[in-house]
Amino acid sequence: AQSVAQPEDQVNVAEGNPLTVKCTYSVSGNPYLFWYVQYPNRGLQFLLKYITGDNLVKGSYGFEAEFNKSQTSFHLKKPSALVSDSALYFCAVTSTNAGNMLTFGGGTRLMVKP
Amino acid sequence: NAGVTQTPKFRILKIGQSMTLQCTQDMNHNYMYWYRQDPGMGLKLIYYSVGAGITDKGEVPNGYNVSRSTTEDFPLRLELAAPSQTSVYFCASSYSYQSSGNTIYFGEGSWLTVV
Repeated sequence: AQSVAQPEDQVNVAEGNPLTVKCTYSVSGNPYLFWYVQYPNRGLQFLLKYITGDNLVKGSYGFEAEFNKSQTSFHLKKPSALVSDSALYFCAVTSTNAGNMLTFGGGTRLMVKP
Repeated sequence: NAGVTQTPKFRILKIGQSMTLQCTQDMNHNYMYWYRQDPGMGLKLIYYSVGAGITDKGEVPNGYNVSRSTTEDFPLRLELAAPSQTSVYFCASSYSYQSSGNTIYFGEGSWLTVV
């Protein structure tokens, strides 16, 4: 069975500092990895995904994520955090063997303070 | 662009009542999904559909039913509401199946409370 772990319930960072939101996964087959962001009382918005190719994926709003196969990780990063980045972030995984199942992590709340 | 639209946004149900959450998408996506989101638990797949007339169970289907009579619409029905069904429900859609790496797009959510 596939799984996703987001080890931090909350990440606190000062505005202007770099941020990292961690994600590790477990799948059989080749992984497809996604990051979604959820603002209060809103649906999930797609940020970026890794399918194949370059391990560094660039997405919306200046976010990027690095796929690391040996460490089975897909950490979300941004060089300079904004207060408006404060939200709930979800990592999700599926694979070539997963049929129609996209498995989500429990979410990490990012708090960016001025 | 409307994308995925769900109604109602908020609803309070009494135990034993029934209701239908409506979902429609205008992206001509073949695949549609219903998820529920519980605090700290991520999203769990309830049901999904690969096209009109075809539906299948996800991880947590008990207490729910779905139908897919058209490409656009994918309603979720709760027959006998229970407190355990208090949750936030998200409808989503994608062009093709998730394991091909297709992005899925979510609606704004429906907050349901069963009392």
